[in-house]
This record gives sequence, C-alpha cells and structure tokens, in this order.
Amino acid sequence: GQQLNQSPQSMFIQEGEDVSMNCTSSSIFNTWLWYKQDPGEGPVLLIALYKAGELTSNGRLTAQFGITRKDSFLNISASIPSDVGIYFCAGQYTNAGKSTFGDGTTLTVKP
Amino acid sequence: SAVISQKPSRDICQRGTSLTIQCQVDSQVTMMFWYRQQPGQSLTLIATANQGSEATYESGFVIDKFPISRPNLTFSTLTVSNMSPEDSSIYLCSVLRTGHTEAFFGQGTRLTVV
Repeated sequence: GQQLNQSPQSMFIQEGEDVSMNCTSSSIFNTWLWYKQDPGEGPVLLIALYKAGELTSNGRLTAQFGITRKDSFLNISASIPSDVGIYFCAGQYTNAGKSTFGDGTTLTVKP
Repeated sequence: SAVISQKPSRDICQRGTSLTIQCQVDSQVTMMFWYRQQPGQSLTLIATANQGSEATYESGFVIDKFPISRPNLTFSTLTVSNMSPEDSSIYLCSVLRTGHTEAFFGQGTRLTVV
C-alpha cells in the first residue's frame, strides 16, 4: 500500500525560530492534509491542499503540495510555546476520504 | 467543522472483555471512519463505517474483532472484542462532511487493557 515518509521525527527549537517538516510518498496523492495533535486529543486539521504546486497559508503556517504530487512540506514561522505537539501529514488518493498518515513530527519549543 | 463526540473518552478494561465506543456527529456527514493509534505511533485506518450495511475493513482488520455499526448518518459504534493488552490504543472516529474531502476527528478514546 501507499506509504508516507515524514521527517524529521522530532525537533527541538527555540521560541521564535522557524520550523520546516516534510512528507514524501512512493506514489501520488490527490490531496495533502496537515494535522496537529495535542496530548489526549484527536488530530486537528491545519491545512488542506488540493492541487499540485498549491501553496496555502494559515496564520504562521504555510504548506505546499509538491509538483510531483508525491511530497508536501509544512513551515511554521516564529514558533511559540503553544506550537508544541505532534504534526502529521496525510495523503488521499481518491475522493473516498480515506487518508494515509505519516509517522508524525514531534515539535518541542523551548521558551 | 463538524462537532464530533466520542464516548467514553478513556477506559481501563480487563482482557477477554469487549468495549463499545460511540461516535456522534452534530450534522449529517457522508463518510465515517474508525482509526487506531497505538502508543507513540501514527494513525491506521481500521474501517469505513457504511450506513445501513456492513463496514469496509482495511487489510489486517476483521469484523469479528472490530464490529462496527452505523444505523444513521450521524452515529456509529466500534466494538473492540475479546480484548488483549495489544489492543491498548487510542481509537478515533473521523468524518467527512458532504462536499468536502478533508476529514475531521473526534477527541479519541484511550483504551488500556490489563
């Protein structure tokens, strides 16, 4: 089946720094999604991408759908302590809504 | 986004018993899914809950172990049967609203089997 490689696995950064994480796939996707999960909670949707090359922002977050449709990245600018959590990428191939998830990037922000 | 309520939020269960998890959505949705998240791991799709018919299971998951119901457009249940410690995970309900392709998640049910 489709597999997603998400990197890095974890990041330890200073408050105010920018963050970048990415996902690559062995096969193409039609939709890329980025989620954040806080402890004890379900994933919360941050950004959805629907077209190859699409660049979308949500506040300090920016994500791009790769031209090859096999990759996506998420950038967080000027990180703050509440950015701490696990970030997951997810890809969808069909419109059936089923998502394949990456392994997650655990972000720690030091004040 | 849809408001998704999952019950229970957490439970500790004895091995060999079964637990039924409920998922209630505040509006009609087209698709409902159940995911499992093992400790420190990513999310894995268990099955798609189909209204009024049998769920569609992903490879590695079977109906006898994870029976699923979806009697209407806003409610679904997942049962974890004959539990063992390996079933200790977070179980998450996910929904797709009409005309949308992005999925929204409930807060999850944290299950510990002892």
